[in-house]
Amino acid sequence: QSVLTQPPSASGTPGQRVTISCSGSNSNIGSNYVYWYQQLPGTAPKLLIYRNNQRPSGVPDRFSGSKSGTSASLAISGLRSEDEADYYCAAWDDSLSGVVFGGGTKLTVL
Amino acid sequence: EVQLVESGGGLVQPGGSLRLSCLASGFTFSTYAMHWVRQTPGKGLEYVSAISSNGGSTYYADSVKGGFTISRDNSKNTLFLQMSSLRAEDTAVYYCVKGYSSSWYKDAFDIWGQGTMVTVSS
Repeated sequence: QSVLTQPPSASGTPGQRVTISCSGSNSNIGSNYVYWYQQLPGTAPKLLIYRNNQRPSGVPDRFSGSKSGTSASLAISGLRSEDEADYYCAAWDDSLSGVVFGGGTKLTVL
Repeated sequence: EVQLVESGGGLVQPGGSLRLSCLASGFTFSTYAMHWVRQTPGKGLEYVSAISSNGGSTYYADSVKGGFTISRDNSKNTLFLQMSSLRAEDTAVYYCVKGYSSSWYKDAFDIWGQGTMVTVSS
C-alpha cells in the first residue's frame, strides 16, 4: 500500500485532456515538492514534472503539474497514443524521512 | 548523453548476498548525489538508498537498513549497492538514479538507469 494515493487507471481519446490525481498528507505533499514520473512499457521511469509544476527540457508543454494543499495533479492535454504509460507521483515525507511514491496510474489512450 | 548502466543482478538464494554496480557517464559523477530505487509488481516503486556526492552521507530505507550498504567510487564513476541477508521481499528491479543536487536529502530523481533484476528464491 503506497503512501501517496493515485487512481489505478485513467483513459482518454486522442486530443482529449486527462488529469491524474495524487493525494497525500501534511508530512509529504503538504510540505514538500511533488514530482511526476512517466514509465513507458518496458522502460525505466522518466522525470516528467519536478518541483510541483516545472518541466525538464524536452518534456512537451502538453504536460503540466499543479499542487494544492495535500494533493497534486498531473494534466495531459492533446492526448496522444504515445502518452500511454504508467504515471507515478512522488514527494519527500518528513515523518518517514524518505521519498514516498504513489501506486501509479495506468493511462490508456482509447 | 547522460547514461547509467546497472549490472550485478541475478538469482540468489534467501540469506545470500549480491553487489549491484552502476556505471555513470555523460556528467560529472562526483558532483551529484546518487540513489537506488526498486520496483516490484506488487509494491510499486520503493526508495531504497542514497549517497551524497562525496560519499560522506548515506540514507537507507527502514526495510533494508542493516542489510544493504551503498557506496561510490568517484574516480571510476561507479555507484554500488552491497546487498546481504537477502529475502524474498527484496526481489525487484533495482534502478540507479542520478540526483539533482550534491545532497540526497529531499533530492529529486533526474535520470534513471535501465534497471537490473534481482530475484531472491531457493
